[in-house]
Amino acid sequence: NAGVTQTPKFQVLKTGQSMTLQCAQDMNHNSMYWYRQDPGMGLRLIYYSASEGTTDKGEVPNGYNVSRLNKREFSLRLESAAPSQTSVYFCASSPIGRAHEQFFGPGTRLTVL
Amino acid sequence: AQKITQTQPGMFVQEKEAVTLDCTYDTSDPSYGLFWYKQPSSGEMIFLIYQGSYDQQNATEGRYSLNFQKARKSANLVISASQLGDSAMYFCAMREVKDSWGKLQFGAGTQVVVTP
Repeated sequence: NAGVTQTPKFQVLKTGQSMTLQCAQDMNHNSMYWYRQDPGMGLRLIYYSASEGTTDKGEVPNGYNVSRLNKREFSLRLESAAPSQTSVYFCASSPIGRAHEQFFGPGTRLTVL
Repeated sequence: AQKITQTQPGMFVQEKEAVTLDCTYDTSDPSYGLFWYKQPSSGEMIFLIYQGSYDQQNATEGRYSLNFQKARKSANLVISASQLGDSAMYFCAMREVKDSWGKLQFGAGTQVVVTP
């Protein structure tokens, strides 16, 4: 099993450019999450999807959109990137009934110039 | 307001010694969960241990144990017999009952360096 995969691993954008971060899990998990990690701040939840077909805002949703394409895939889109969105982005998933046990992807390091 | 506080930004520990990482939390929910994650330099987040607020006993997973003191709202992680591979960033996190779909709130982390 690959677990949770994320693409790309690294990305550099110019201010105003758009991009989509991809996430897929092969563990048949119901719930999926997008976090960002900034120095000294731990991880903060951007959006989450409790199950296929549903998405909800987390702690810091502004400037982002998400799509739960199917049970496996959960993408994060930046429509107009800003330097404040420079961060490491993690996708995670959790199985039904065990929401505490989140499995994380390897992360995407995004720099916005 | 910060819900999870990790007061130790970094610490050194000698190989084979035990280390305690502090975590305090703030919630008014009667039902919540507490977690610890490890993040090595490679960047991935690895789930270590979980403690439910109603669990009577402290959680243990191999060399990891969680010292849960509910009245003090503290959930310290104890790593026994440290190994060089334990060098990593460690995050404490909490899920409150109102966030039934697993939304976690993380602390700022503690960097642990294990020395030979």
